[in-house]
Amino acid sequence: DTGVSQDPRHKITKRGQNVTFRCDPISEHNRLYWYRQTLGQGPEFLTYFQNEAQLEKSRLLSDRFSAERPKGSFSTLEIQRTEQGDSAMYLCASSPLGGQGNTIYFGEGSWLTVV
Amino acid sequence: AQSVTQPDIHITVSEGASLELRCNYSYGATPYLFWYVQSPGQGLQLLLKYFSGDTLVQGIKGFEAEFKRSQSSFNLRKPSVHWSDAAEYFCAVSGGYQKVTFGTGTKLQVIP
Repeated sequence: DTGVSQDPRHKITKRGQNVTFRCDPISEHNRLYWYRQTLGQGPEFLTYFQNEAQLEKSRLLSDRFSAERPKGSFSTLEIQRTEQGDSAMYLCASSPLGGQGNTIYFGEGSWLTVV
Repeated sequence: AQSVTQPDIHITVSEGASLELRCNYSYGATPYLFWYVQSPGQGLQLLLKYFSGDTLVQGIKGFEAEFKRSQSSFNLRKPSVHWSDAAEYFCAVSGGYQKVTFGTGTKLQVIP
């Protein structure tokens, strides 16, 4: 069973450009999460999906951010008109629906640097 | 709202010494508690989790954690630290099938 896969692992972009990150969750995991992490901080929740439905969005997710999970499998996170403050690591995680609690498994993250 | 406090930003221990990382949580009901470890530039790896039952839980890499409801704590311990344990450690809380909320992390340095 492969883990959560994220692509690209690193992205450098100029301010104002759009970027898109892709996440492939662990197969058969119904839930998929996006978190953002800046240096010296813990991961901050952005949004999550159950299958293809986006169930919760953080106030951190401004209107320049959009996430999709069109077929309930992989997900994309797009940032439009990037700003320097968007520089961070974007972490994707997934969890199964069922069983005890909500154990989430993370990918390796996608580093974004906005110059 | 659920929250996690990790009061120690940075801890230094000697190799072979014991370790305890502190975690306090805030949640209105029975929490689900987790410890994750992160090496530089990497994602987070699950060390252990508490859902119910025995309040002392064992995890990978020789780590354990104890849930103390009266103190709202879930401290992580290891009897003998190895140089490879140097990393950042995150405590997290969830209310079941909800988002997981993380603390700000404790960076562990291990000196020979």
